Amino acid sequence: EDQVTQSPEALRLQEGESSSLNCSYTVSGLRGLFWYRQDPGKGPEFLFTLYSAGEEKEKERLKATLTKKESFLHITAPKPEDSATYLCAARYSSASKIIFGSGTRLSIRP
Amino acid sequence: GAGVSQSPSNKVTEKGKDVELRCDPISGHTALYWYRQSLGQGLEFLIYFQGNSAPDKSGLPSDRFSAERTGGSVSTLTIQRTQQEDSAVYLCASSQDRGTNEKLFFGSGTQLSVL
Repeated sequence: EDQVTQSPEALRLQEGESSSLNCSYTVSGLRGLFWYRQDPGKGPEFLFTLYSAGEEKEKERLKATLTKKESFLHITAPKPEDSATYLCAARYSSASKIIFGSGTRLSIRP
Repeated sequence: GAGVSQSPSNKVTEKGKDVELRCDPISGHTALYWYRQSLGQGLEFLIYFQGNSAPDKSGLPSDRFSAERTGGSVSTLTIQRTQQEDSAVYLCASSQDRGTNEKLFFGSGTQLSVL
């Protein structure tokens, strides 16, 4: 069964303290790896799509990377407004659905 | 409207009652997805529509759950004889197609509470 696993479950950082979130996925048949941000009481908001190993995408303080077996969301010099749950998701060639991981709750202290 | 609209935003019902949740996708979006999110958990896939047909309904938890989409637009998720374990946020998302543009646009969800 295709799976997406995220770690850590929760991460507390000081403002300006850089770190990375991890997403491991079932390798076979991957068609796309996605990152979303979710704020409390709202639906997820699209951040990035990655299609092949070695690919990188950046947006402000966030950079997403993809290797052959995992993806990382790097956050550089985070600010309190970056506090949210970050969700990783994957689509496989054998399925129509997009599978989500359980997310990483990121908290940035001022 | 500009985004995906879901109604109602909150629904409280009694165990055993039927409920209907509505999703209005972004105009022109052919793909529509329903997900369920329990407190503090990730998104659980329920069903996917392409146009009015549902090529993947593998995530529907039981035969109490059904969904339809009409006119390639509005979708309704129906839960019959609700149980307490059905309590969750039900999220709808739409996208332009299943091709290279995989970006999903989500609504704010319907918070369902079954007493």
